[in-house]
Amino acid sequence: KAGVTQTPRYLIKTRGQQVTLSCSPISGHRSVSWYQQTPGQGLQFLFEYFSETQRNKGNFPGRFSGRQFSNSRSEMNVSTLELGDSALYLCASSVGGGTGANVLTFGAGSRLTVL
Amino acid sequence: GQSLEQPSEVTAVEGAIVQINCTYQTSGFYGLSWYQQHDGGAPTFLSYNALDGLEETGRFSSFLSRSDSYGYLLLQELQMKDSASYFCAVTPGFQKLVFGTGTRLLVSP
Repeated sequence: KAGVTQTPRYLIKTRGQQVTLSCSPISGHRSVSWYQQTPGQGLQFLFEYFSETQRNKGNFPGRFSGRQFSNSRSEMNVSTLELGDSALYLCASSVGGGTGANVLTFGAGSRLTVL
Repeated sequence: GQSLEQPSEVTAVEGAIVQINCTYQTSGFYGLSWYQQHDGGAPTFLSYNALDGLEETGRFSSFLSRSDSYGYLLLQELQMKDSASYFCAVTPGFQKLVFGTGTRLLVSP
């Protein structure tokens, strides 16, 4: 079956602009989470959505937001871009449900460069 | 909060056994996971420990000791394709992973 699809794969923006990234999870997966990966900070949790509800949020400013649609597809938005937002943004999907073992399947990521 | 520390780099030769350690400071979590990430690729799930002890999956084994705040990933019969970054991660809540600092494994012939 198809994996997690993220679009766009690469994008370049300038400071002050905003960006929207899209993620299509594996069919049947209801949980979608987002991570930011940078050389300095590593992999950091942004937020997680399940059945269109945000269940968990990381320690990122309000410029970072997301949403999930009824078909489980998710988008994240970053407004007023800063140079430090340059990163690989990874989306991961899982069956979801309760806590415990949560095997995440990651997409290839969207690499954002802010100039 | 949670913090997980890993060695930044480990080197080994093909066919050898290597252990990647993960020490953590966290107030509580459901389990410890391990993910592999090749350069330019996405992280892929390797193993999960909900309970203390050893979990074996083929050439990979993972261990957790909550009393020692410690876990490790053991890779046996190393192959060149095992050269990658390895991340431990804890699950403190709903589908949320807090990742370790990552270990870059270099396997040489």
